[in-house]
Amino acid sequence: DAGITQSPRYKITETGRQVTLMCHQTWSHSYMFWYRQDLGHGLRLIYYSAAADITDKGEVPDGYVVSRSKTENFPLTLESATRSQTSVYFCATSRDSGNEQFFGPGTRLTVL
Amino acid sequence: GEDVEQSLFLSVREGDSSVINCTYTDSSSTYLYWYKQEPGAGLQLLTYIFSNMDMKQDQRLTVLLNKKDKHLSLRIADTQTGDSAIYFCADSSGGSYIPTFGRGTSLIVHP
Repeated sequence: DAGITQSPRYKITETGRQVTLMCHQTWSHSYMFWYRQDLGHGLRLIYYSAAADITDKGEVPDGYVVSRSKTENFPLTLESATRSQTSVYFCATSRDSGNEQFFGPGTRLTVL
Repeated sequence: GEDVEQSLFLSVREGDSSVINCTYTDSSSTYLYWYKQEPGAGLQLLTYIFSNMDMKQDQRLTVLLNKKDKHLSLRIADTQTGDSAIYFCADSSGGSYIPTFGRGTSLIVHP
């Protein structure tokens, strides 16, 4: 049982291309989150979801799109990648409101 | 808005105790967490404390909470090189499932 997985683990793309980062969980946790981690900024919340078909913006949503048609998947799409989106992206889940979060291993994205 | 502050770096000698400090602003925080991030990995919950507690001990880890000053600390006894990592403080209030994270403290343990 893998728990929470992210794919790909590493991605290099070019400015202007569309990129989708995948997140999959096997726990059926209700809540899912996308963060980006950058030096000097810590973790910043991009989007979150309380359940399937319910998503909402976090602190830095511009340039990103999410969907959640199934409880277990929460893909993050960069519609037209920019160099400022070079970062490490983490997906996380949470069972209930206010509970601990479980993080995936991260995807390191480089936009050239 | 809510804010969680931590110092960015801490360097200690192997075998000494490490104390990582955190301050938060949300007076309605009900859970306060410490996460650990090892190089190349995601965050992992280390320990947590309910806001109605003053202290929690778990093996080498001691968490102290001063609710009046909104100050949280994590003490690691007998610090080892394997404790070198980034430590994040986070809080969440009862009505929110979105924790607020600090920027993380990089703990460096040297021989």
